[in-house]
Amino acid sequence: GQQVMQIPQYQHVQEGEDFTTYCNSSTTLSNIQWYKQRPGGHPVFLIQLVKSGEVKKQKRLTFQFGEAKKNSSLHITATQTTDVGTYFCAGGGGATNKLIFGTGTLLAVQP
Amino acid sequence: EPEVTQTPSHQVTQMGQEVILRCVPISNHLYFYWYRQILGQKVEFLVSFYNNEISEKSEIFDDQFSVERPDGSNFTLKIRSTKLEDSAMYFCANQQSSSYNSPLHFGNGTRLTVT
Repeated sequence: GQQVMQIPQYQHVQEGEDFTTYCNSSTTLSNIQWYKQRPGGHPVFLIQLVKSGEVKKQKRLTFQFGEAKKNSSLHITATQTTDVGTYFCAGGGGATNKLIFGTGTLLAVQP
Repeated sequence: EPEVTQTPSHQVTQMGQEVILRCVPISNHLYFYWYRQILGQKVEFLVSFYNNEISEKSEIFDDQFSVERPDGSNFTLKIRSTKLEDSAMYFCANQQSSSYNSPLHFGNGTRLTVT
């Protein structure tokens, strides 16, 4: 079945440093969504990407969808302590509505 | 912002017992999902539900699991005979439309502990 992997599993940064998580799917995706889960919380939708090569920005966050629509990345510039949490990508396969979540990247930010 | 509400927030049960997890979806969100997350792991798809029937289910969603909308509003997940490995956080999620780029709105989850 479809698998979505993320690297790294865990990243510890100093506040102010940049952070990137990479998402790779075993199959071509119709779209990719990104979610953030704070410790003890539930996944919260951040953004979706649909087009091949698409790049979107939300303040310090930059999201990219690969040309082949099989990979994506999330880059955070100048991390803050409020960025702490697990970042999940979630891929849609087209034929169904279900989203397959990636393995997640846990971000820890040291003040 | 409208919320998905899940009850209870925490359920402790003995192995072999039945549990029912409840979800009150966002009004006019017609697509329903259950996901589960074992502690520290990824969010796993269990089942999708639309128009009073299951649209799709994963291999995790075996015969001990069932879903329904008994009164047209609440959306429930029943586990008939719980096992230790069912211990996890269970999230209900809603989607407004069938458009593949419609985001999922998650509830706060029910933490199920099977002893």
